[in-house]
Amino acid sequence: ETGVTQSPTHLIKTRGQQVTLRCSSQSGHNTVSWYQQALGQGPQFIFQYYREEENGRGNFPPRFSGLQFPNYSSELNVNALELDDSALYLCASSLTGGIGTGELFFGEGSRLTVL
Amino acid sequence: GENVEQHPSTLSVQEGDSAVIKCTYSDSASNYFPWYKQELGKRPQLIIDIRSNVGEKKDQRIAVTLNKTAKHFSLHITETQPEDSAVYFCAAIPISGYSTLTFGKGTMLLVSP
Repeated sequence: ETGVTQSPTHLIKTRGQQVTLRCSSQSGHNTVSWYQQALGQGPQFIFQYYREEENGRGNFPPRFSGLQFPNYSSELNVNALELDDSALYLCASSLTGGIGTGELFFGEGSRLTVL
Repeated sequence: GENVEQHPSTLSVQEGDSAVIKCTYSDSASNYFPWYKQELGKRPQLIIDIRSNVGEKKDQRIAVTLNKTAKHFSLHITETQPEDSAVYFCAAIPISGYSTLTFGKGTMLLVSP
């Protein structure tokens, strides 16, 4: 068991709604990354948080936002949901925000369906 | 940014055969190349990784090779078993000040008994 937990595991929303996904990182890990995995695709990097600050962002619009808390848990918020936001959202924690270091430990993901 | 291409998209083999999955990357400064296995409905799990200071790494039936000059790396699975059936993703980390992975699109490996 990797220790990274995500909630909820599944949820259904309608277009225009807002959603918050949560992630608890593995004990001792200070870095959390969020990925979007559309069906049949590889995970796409959304953003990363290191010591409560955004430490990098992929090609996602501002309606995707996040937070990291002092205990290193994290939230992903998506506003104004679109149909294309339907995907598996993966949280991954690692020990450091450094370059090319540290295995990423993934959670089981939150599967979002937007109708 | 980094771009990772992965081939083939699907691979069917008989149990006991070998399987090879190939990836190319675009950023010559990338220095860490992990491979993840994702079973249906499960999280991606790291199975092997390689860093740019080595050319090959082996772990039992799994090996990874890296050619930095050509900017490609490959996953080799020998003596495949039905439980090897899954989607495999290669990834690379660009040198950009933070550790994040760029993934390939995945290879679905089907091992038939």
